[in-house]
Amino acid sequence: GAVVSQHPSRVICKSGTSVKIECRSLDFQATTMFWYRQFPKKSLMLMATSNEGSKATYEQGVEKDKFLINHASLTLSTLTVTSAHPEDSSFYICSARDPGTDYNEQFFGPGTRLTVL
Amino acid sequence: GQNIDQPTEMTATEGAIVQINCTYQTSGFNGLFWYQQHAGEAPTFLSYNVLDGLEEKGRFSSFLSRSKGYSYLLLKELQMKDSASYLCAALPNDYKLSFGAGTTVTVRA
Repeated sequence: GAVVSQHPSRVICKSGTSVKIECRSLDFQATTMFWYRQFPKKSLMLMATSNEGSKATYEQGVEKDKFLINHASLTLSTLTVTSAHPEDSSFYICSARDPGTDYNEQFFGPGTRLTVL
Repeated sequence: GQNIDQPTEMTATEGAIVQINCTYQTSGFNGLFWYQQHAGEAPTFLSYNVLDGLEEKGRFSSFLSRSKGYSYLLLKELQMKDSASYLCAALPNDYKLSFGAGTTVTVRA
């Protein structure tokens, strides 16, 4: 299947700093990417849908000014957690939709573990 | 909103069979996915069903009944490496995957 990379895999930061997470589709072009967060032993919660060349669509309850999403190219989307606080500590996972598959399959990145001290 | 239900935990013995049930209620339906997720890792695709019936893929099979809003994932000949969380996810009309909370399967020797 297609490959999606995420960087960094782990990040530890101080409270109040901003953290940028990159999501790349390596062998296909993704007009749509998704950002999820996952708390321990919980399911994936969709935060936002990232559309290439347009503004991201945020799910209810997700602060767009806190979680900045940029999808500047067909292979790269970034999520910036601004002014991070300990409650933002979580596992962030991106996925990219491959329009070349039969059912617009989503391929997931390996995730980023964010710890805010 | 969307509602996906699956059991929280299941335990089985190596070599046995385990069936993970999933019920869903969504705004429209464009298919049902099963993913496997090991701790600290991203989900990996296991199966996709959009038509009623059973899809078999090696030791794993997935079943769908659209009229009942029901699916199951069948894991046969369980191996220790199958210990993981299994996520049921439905694809509604907005094409945004809606995930269940996951079923943690523990395989004992």
